[in-house]
Amino acid sequence: DVKVTQSSRYLVKRTGEKVFLECVQDMDHENMFWYRQDPGLGLRLIYFSYDVKMKEKGDIPEGYSVSREKKERFSLILESASTNQTSMYLCASRLTGPDTQYFGPGTRLTVL
Amino acid sequence: AQRVTQPEKLLSVFKGAPVELKCNYSYSGSPELFWYVQYSRQRLQLLLRHISRESIKGFTADLNKGETSFHLKKPFAQEEDSAMYYCALLHNAGNMLTFGGGTRLMVKP
Repeated sequence: DVKVTQSSRYLVKRTGEKVFLECVQDMDHENMFWYRQDPGLGLRLIYFSYDVKMKEKGDIPEGYSVSREKKERFSLILESASTNQTSMYLCASRLTGPDTQYFGPGTRLTVL
Repeated sequence: AQRVTQPEKLLSVFKGAPVELKCNYSYSGSPELFWYVQYSRQRLQLLLRHISRESIKGFTADLNKGETSFHLKKPFAQEEDSAMYYCALLHNAGNMLTFGGGTRLMVKP
């Protein structure tokens, strides 16, 4: 069974803080993704990575950055958190092409 | 640009009634489409994909290229089908999934 884990289920931060969200997968998948999930808007892709140290912007990268130093780990960074970044953040990984994409449990981030 | 539209945010049916969750897409290439489901307090998971042509938990979905649709259907809804359903389109040389806004299905007893 593929396991995708996220470092926190709930996180509360203050405006302006730097925030790190960590994601780890244990199935040697090349592709990893960060989404945010908002009611009525579905899942929107923030960034994805198709290999170590490689990254591509998704649909809403503004205000976010990512890091992939090891194949199994993909980090999402909010350099200076803002209230409009309050959301559920989902990490996912996939082997390649039309293979199943596996999701983590999500991190609910609240920025005060 | 690719887009996935799920016109209904909420669909409420009675147990035993037929269900159809609508999904329309726009994409210039050859589409590969998926349905993902998220049950309460569970993580998002794949329900089915159009290339498999399979039925999962009684659900089916047919790709209609003429109408650019991939509607999800089930003839008799069960209470345990209550969940959030997302339609998704694979693109960017098979690297990216674009999701629709989601439809919450509520099956009433």
